[in-house]
Amino acid sequence: KNQVEQSPQSLIILEGKNCTLQCNYTVSPFSNLRWYKQDTGRGPVSLTIMTFSENTKSNGRYTATLDADTKQSSLHITASQLSDSASYICVVSAGNNAGNMLTFGGGTRLMVKP
Amino acid sequence: DVKVTQSSRYLVKRTGEKVFLECVQDMDHENMFWYRQDPGLGLRLIYFSYDVKMKEKGDIPEGYSVSREKKERFSLILESASTNQTSMYLCASSLWGQGNTIYFGEGSWLTVV
Repeated sequence: KNQVEQSPQSLIILEGKNCTLQCNYTVSPFSNLRWYKQDTGRGPVSLTIMTFSENTKSNGRYTATLDADTKQSSLHITASQLSDSASYICVVSAGNNAGNMLTFGGGTRLMVKP
Repeated sequence: DVKVTQSSRYLVKRTGEKVFLECVQDMDHENMFWYRQDPGLGLRLIYFSYDVKMKEKGDIPEGYSVSREKKERFSLILESASTNQTSMYLCASSLWGQGNTIYFGEGSWLTVV
């Protein structure tokens, strides 16, 4: 069964600090991995999409890494801001042509405190 | 700008009522999805559609049906609402094919009393 596990479940950090969120997956055949940010009460918004051949991808202060051999991804947030407080969801896509076979992680809830 | 619009943000319905949740996307996307999101359970796929009049069951289709009469519109129907269907419902859309961004709506909070 395809699975995506995220850790930690929740995290509290001080403003300005860095943090790293983890995503482990067992999805086959692997197609791509996405990170989403979801503010409370809002829909998820895409941060990055990574394919098999991509090891790292940045979007501003967010940097995602992918190790397809160990089936692990991380999302690193640099110099955190209060607005980074949200849930971060890892989503792995299986390799069908339609691109609609998605497995969602449970998310990591990040709280950034002043 | 890309937009997925869910017509109702907050609804309160009575047990046994028929409920319609509407979703419209303006990007000419082939794929459309309905998820529900519950604390501790993450997003779970109810139904998806990859073309007009086409629909596929997701992981938790029981108690739900869908309709896609036009490409831009995907409706979720609760034939007879029950309290265990109280949840946040998220609509999403994407282009056909791998590696395309999936765009989510803002969510519909449904409470069944």
